[in-house]
Amino acid sequence: EAQVTQNPRYLITVTGKKLTVTCSQNMNHEYMSWYRQDPGLGLRQIYYSMNVEVTDKGDVPEGYKVSRKEKRNFPLILESPSPNQTSLYFCASSLRGTSYNEQFFGPGTRLTVL
Amino acid sequence: RKEVEQDPGPFNVPEGATVAFNCTYSNSASQSFFWYRQDCRKEPKLLMSVYSSGNEDGRFTAQLNRASQYISLLIRDSKLSDSATYLCVVNTARGSNYQLIWGAGTKLIIKP
Repeated sequence: EAQVTQNPRYLITVTGKKLTVTCSQNMNHEYMSWYRQDPGLGLRQIYYSMNVEVTDKGDVPEGYKVSRKEKRNFPLILESPSPNQTSLYFCASSLRGTSYNEQFFGPGTRLTVL
Repeated sequence: RKEVEQDPGPFNVPEGATVAFNCTYSNSASQSFFWYRQDCRKEPKLLMSVYSSGNEDGRFTAQLNRASQYISLLIRDSKLSDSATYLCVVNTARGSNYQLIWGAGTKLIIKP
């Protein structure tokens, strides 16, 4: 089944404790991205990757890191999480990073930073 | 002002009614437009793309008005299963790249 998977789905952590949220897609998509969704603000892009070893900042990259060593995986790293990073996170992929490609989303990771 | 704006709702609509909502965008250079549907606490899924000539998919009709910079979504004969949040998405040029800009969504509740 074609899908985007994220782990963990739910995470409660404490300020400063490094964490990684994994994202994997099995559709051979070139483009992958991370979003956070907060009430009243819509989806905001954190980082995106046009292809392997090519990553770039989105609108809200501060406090996050990413890497794209393989085509299928795009982990999101929070080196020192803070309470303002409490949010719902979505990983998404599309065939190419062009205007017209449908985005396929993972199921989301609900993160709480205490 | 947000780049993509939507009425957050909720729109409370009786089953079988027709409902419409708009989404305005600020960048006249925006190239492509989409409606996504998001069920509570789930991931967004593409509902339909919006073409310049307008397009229809069953009970759903999407329209684009470039002059006034808005897109619309019309749902006819609404079903209980249409209850969801509808996200407007605009693909906008950012230098040599494009970026998807998401509205905050319009919540629709269909009542029996």
